[in-house]
Amino acid sequence: DAGVTQSPTHLIKTRGQQVTLRCSPKSGHDTVSWYQQALGQGPQFIFQYYEEEERQRGNFPDRFSGHQFPNYSSELNVNALLLGDSALYLCASSQTGNSPLHFGNGTRLTVT
Amino acid sequence: DAKTTQPNSMESNEEEPVHLPCNHSTISGTDYIHWYRQLPSQGPEYVIHGLTSNVNNRMASLAIAEDRKSSTLILHRATLRDAAVYYCILRDPNFGNEKLTFGTGTRLTIIP
Repeated sequence: DAGVTQSPTHLIKTRGQQVTLRCSPKSGHDTVSWYQQALGQGPQFIFQYYEEEERQRGNFPDRFSGHQFPNYSSELNVNALLLGDSALYLCASSQTGNSPLHFGNGTRLTVT
Repeated sequence: DAKTTQPNSMESNEEEPVHLPCNHSTISGTDYIHWYRQLPSQGPEYVIHGLTSNVNNRMASLAIAEDRKSSTLILHRATLRDAAVYYCILRDPNFGNEKLTFGTGTRLTIIP
């Protein structure tokens, strides 16, 4: 049973560009969340998708947007990249409720 | 979000028990205590969670103080594979709330 898979694993972009990161949830999970983890810090919640809608959002600007597809997979889009957007982006999936989150191993984004 | 306080780092000898403390003095009556760990170059991994009573699973035990203002994650016999950053997180189980608020966690070093 595959867990949460994310692609790509690494990405290098230039300041001002746009990026799309992808996530496939664990089988049987219907909720996807995205987190940003800067070096040496704990992950920070970006937003959560359930039933193809954004349900919760953390303290991130509108440059960060997402989408969930009918098969529960998800995309994270970041526009107008800044140097400070360089981080590990983690996707987590779960079954709605108090079930544990399952995380992927992330996409390492470097903005130059 | 209610806050947790953990030591920045701890060391333990291999094959000995490890007790990782967490303070959460502002915990609300409905908050569950969750523990996740993050091994190097991986996403966070669920360890255990509980509400009031002590909990055991194949990975660890969770001891919760009677007033719920503190808890301790217990690894019964540490191995080198347990070297990771351990996060203590309070989570409100209201429907649809998949947000986890990570702090900086405790970096556990296992000495061979």
